[in-house]
Amino acid sequence: LAKTTQPISMDSYEGQEVNITCSHNNIATNDYITWYQQFPSQGPRFIIQGYKTKVTNEVASLFIPADRKSSTLSLPRVSLSDTAVYYCLTLDSNYQLIWGAGTKLIIKP
Amino acid sequence: EAQVTQNPRYLITVTGKKLTVTCSQNMNHEYMSWYRQDPGLGLRQIYYSMNVEVTDKGDVPEGYKVSRKEKRNFPLILESPSPNQTSLYFCASSLGGQMNTEAFFGQGTRLTVV
Repeated sequence: LAKTTQPISMDSYEGQEVNITCSHNNIATNDYITWYQQFPSQGPRFIIQGYKTKVTNEVASLFIPADRKSSTLSLPRVSLSDTAVYYCLTLDSNYQLIWGAGTKLIIKP
Repeated sequence: EAQVTQNPRYLITVTGKKLTVTCSQNMNHEYMSWYRQDPGLGLRQIYYSMNVEVTDKGDVPEGYKVSRKEKRNFPLILESPSPNQTSLYFCASSLGGQMNTEAFFGQGTRLTVV
């Protein structure tokens, strides 16, 4: 049974780099790993997506090892406004969506 | 502006009174989906649609109906709401395939069934 596991919560401070890792066994071999950000009372918002190795955009980086059994979202130099819940999303080998339970990230001044 | 619009944002209703939550997207996306979000349970997919007139059950479809008569609209229907359907609901759309491409979510509808 496919499962996606992320830490329930994390704390950090402004200006630090934050890494959130998601473990996902039995994912589809040819589909993307996607991360979303959600603020209270809003819908999730797409952050980044990757298939393997490293992907970087203007807000984050995503590291995916060769075995694709995990992925790490990296947020450089976080600010208070990065306080949110972060979800990883994959497809399992039956191409069913598997959402992580979310990581509540709290950034302190 | 590209967006997914849900209405209403908040709704309180009584058990058994049929209701519809509307969802509309302006991006010409083929794929649309409904989720419910409950504390401790994360996002759970209710129904999804790959294109017009093509809908399928997600993880928790019981008690819900959907329709996709037009590409832009994907309403969620609760024929006989019950208190266990009190939840926060999100509609989402993406260009193609499953939701594992960049998906756009609506602002959410907070439903309370008393």
